[in-house]
Amino acid sequence: EDQVTQSPEALRLQEGESSSLNCSYTVSGLRGLFWYRQDPGKGPEFLFTLYSAGEEKEKERLKATLTKKESFLHITAPKPEDSATYLCAVQAENYGQNFVFGPGTRLSVLP
Amino acid sequence: ETGVTQTPRHLVMGMTNKKSLKCEQHLGHNAMYWYKQSAKKPLELMFVYNFKEQTENNSVPSRFSPECPNSSHLFLHLHTLQPEDSALYLCASSDRIGNQPQHFGDGTRLSIL
Repeated sequence: EDQVTQSPEALRLQEGESSSLNCSYTVSGLRGLFWYRQDPGKGPEFLFTLYSAGEEKEKERLKATLTKKESFLHITAPKPEDSATYLCAVQAENYGQNFVFGPGTRLSVLP
Repeated sequence: ETGVTQTPRHLVMGMTNKKSLKCEQHLGHNAMYWYKQSAKKPLELMFVYNFKEQTENNSVPSRFSPECPNSSHLFLHLHTLQPEDSALYLCASSDRIGNQPQHFGDGTRLSIL
């Protein structure tokens, strides 16, 4: 069965403590993998799109990477304002035009 | 005004009430989506509209009735809801169906008494 999972479910970091979030997927015919950030009381905000294994994207303290089975969101020297829930979503050939979201990782960065 | 706007932001209703959620996008997009977000569960796609035509109904109960009068407006009509329908309902749009990124509104927090 196709699925998208994320780990850990929650992560607490000290300010400046780098770490990585994981998004694993088991789908056939990946078309794209997408990362979003969601703040409490807000809708998800788009961060990155990755299309093929080996691809990397960077934005400020965030870097997203993709392999054939998973994606990592690396957070370097995080700040308290990076606290949010990070969602990944997958688009695959058998999903048609739709996207399947993972359950998210809730990140807390303590000052 | 830019982006995707959803109203109301919060809604409390009884199981026998009828209410509607509204979504409006000012991005010139042609595809619009309704998602349900429940606590500790992934976003669930409910409906997809492309140029006002519904292209996807993801096995959603008939007590949820979508309406898309034009590419900028999307409604979700609610009637005879159940307590398990309490959730955050998110609207999103994209320039074309299946394209990323999707731009999300801030959602309507729905509570069923």
